[in-house]
Amino acid sequence: AQSVTQLGSHVSVSEGALVLLRCNYSSSVPPYLFWYVQYPNQGLQLLLKYTTGATLVKGINGFEAEFKKSETSFHLTKPSAHMSDAAEYFCAVNRDDKIIFGKGTRLHILP
Amino acid sequence: DTAVSQTPKYLVTQMGNDKSIKCEQNLGHDTMYWYKQDSKKFLKIMFSYNNKELIINETVPNRFSPKSPDKAHLNLHINSLELGDSAVYFCASSRSDREAFFGQGTRLTVV
Repeated sequence: AQSVTQLGSHVSVSEGALVLLRCNYSSSVPPYLFWYVQYPNQGLQLLLKYTTGATLVKGINGFEAEFKKSETSFHLTKPSAHMSDAAEYFCAVNRDDKIIFGKGTRLHILP
Repeated sequence: DTAVSQTPKYLVTQMGNDKSIKCEQNLGHDTMYWYKQDSKKFLKIMFSYNNKELIINETVPNRFSPKSPDKAHLNLHINSLELGDSAVYFCASSRSDREAFFGQGTRLTVV
């Protein structure tokens, strides 16, 4: 069975600081991996995805993530946080037409 | 031009009533989903349809009945609504490389 673990239900960073949101997955084979963002009272928007190929994936709004098979991780980073990054972030895996989400991490940006 | 659209956006109803939520996608995707997001923001898959056929039913009570008249539509009918059904319900569709597109959600409140 597949699962996704996001460490930290809440993460706070200062504006301009590095953002690091952690995601680990369990899967017998490399899955498709995604990060989604959810702003208040809105649907989910895709930030970035890993399917095959380059393990460092760049997404929208300056975010990127690196697929590390040896660590079964797909952590999300952004060099410099902006106030507008405050939102809920979800890591997800997709295999055999089933998208499994982590429990989400609420990112707080401190002025 | 909305890619995945759900109606209604808000639904307030009394216990015991029957209600439906409609979903349409204009992306030409073969796979559609219903997800439930609870008050803690946890996203749980309910159903998955591929080309109008039910693929996944994640132990959802049989009060919930999805219907897919064609591959662009996946509606959700709920009988005998209970307080615990209060949540945000998201429809989504995905393409061959497994990226999912989400609707804006339907906030269901059962009173």
